[in-house]
Amino acid sequence: GAVVSQHPSWVICKSGTSVKIECRSLDFQATTMFWYRQFPKQSLMLMATSNEGSKATYEQGVEKDKFLINHASLTLSTLTVTSAHPEDSSFYICSARDSGGSDGEELFFGEGSRLTVL
Amino acid sequence: KQEVTQIPAALSVPEGENLVLNCSFTDSAIYNLQWFRQDPGKGLTSLLLIQSSQREQTSGRLNASLDKSSGRSTLYIAASQPGDSATYLCAVSHYNTDKLIFGTGTRLQVFP
Repeated sequence: GAVVSQHPSWVICKSGTSVKIECRSLDFQATTMFWYRQFPKQSLMLMATSNEGSKATYEQGVEKDKFLINHASLTLSTLTVTSAHPEDSSFYICSARDSGGSDGEELFFGEGSRLTVL
Repeated sequence: KQEVTQIPAALSVPEGENLVLNCSFTDSAIYNLQWFRQDPGKGLTSLLLIQSSQREQTSGRLNASLDKSSGRSTLYIAASQPGDSATYLCAVSHYNTDKLIFGTGTRLQVFP
């Protein structure tokens, strides 16, 4: 199946700093990517939909100025957590759909990025 | 608002047993339903995708069924193995949107 790569897989930062997480589709193009966050022992919650070449669509309750999303190419979306605080510590997962593939509506997920804010 | 629930929340069984994991959703107007596996601290692996017009999908020892009208799906795992130990998530999507709404997950442990 298609591969989605996230980087970094884990990151520790100080409170007040910004952290960027990358999501890449390695062998397919994705006009749309999705960002989720997952707290321990909880399910995934959609944060935003990343659209190539346009602004991201954020879910209710997600601060767009806090979580900056950029989807500058068909294979890369980035999530930047600005002025991170300990409550932002979470597991962030991206997903993408092959825009031109034969897998139908299947979404492919990255391995996730664990953010710990001290 | 769509809500997806999975029962049981946790399950521990001996190796070799056949298992049934349940997923229910409140809004039956779904486009498709997908089952995923998540290992601790890892991303998601797609297991089975069922379109709204389908009743079931099979892959190896896994079989997923969908009853859209009653808002239910089941994931059947035959002859469970310790390597099946993981959290299993179901998720639904609606027409005209790519968004997935995830269930609460079932943590499965298969012991030798």
